[in-house]
Amino acid sequence: EAGVVQSPRYKIIEKKQPVAFWCNPISGHNTLYWYRQNLGQGPELLIRYENEEAVDDSQLPKDRFSAERLKGVDSTLKIQPAELGDSAVYLCASSLHLQTQYFGPGTRLLVL
Amino acid sequence: DQQVKQNSPSLSVQEGRISILNCDYTNSMFDYFLWYKKYPAEGPTFLISISSIKDKNEDGRFTVFLNKSAKHLSLHIVPSQPGDSAVYFCAASKETSYDKVIFGPGTSLSVIP
Repeated sequence: EAGVVQSPRYKIIEKKQPVAFWCNPISGHNTLYWYRQNLGQGPELLIRYENEEAVDDSQLPKDRFSAERLKGVDSTLKIQPAELGDSAVYLCASSLHLQTQYFGPGTRLLVL
Repeated sequence: DQQVKQNSPSLSVQEGRISILNCDYTNSMFDYFLWYKKYPAEGPTFLISISSIKDKNEDGRFTVFLNKSAKHLSLHIVPSQPGDSAVYFCAASKETSYDKVIFGPGTSLSVIP
């Protein structure tokens, strides 16, 4: 069974440019998460979806970050415009409701 | 304010010996705890968990101990193997929102052959 797929794996952009990350969860998993992991820290939740509904986006910086999960499957996380402090690894995870989370490999973003 | 703390950023252990990774939490509402393991360039993978109704959970070479009064848990790996070298994240959640998992900063374990 395929795991959580994320693309791209790496992205280098200049500040003020837009960037988007894509996630394909494990088939059948209705819950999808986006996390940000800064260097030397653990993952921090940005947004959680139950099917296509964002049920927890309290930690998402809404002035520049947006996310969508059309049709309750794939999801996209966007940053516009990117800032230097956005450099991090962006992790996507999925799970069945209230079950163990399975993580993708992450997208490593570097903002110059 | 860090709710889940792992005060040792790194740990080195000889192959065959016991590895003990420690974790402290501040929120007494947490009642479910997990350990995740992460290799470089990969996402974290679930390792073992424990509910607050237990004080020990064992899975092969991995055992997690929970001391609720001290708000402390530890992961024991016996015997340690070179393939165990990774970053280990302690995480916690509340019964009312198991989907909201709070991660610690991680401990990098190196098992020396």
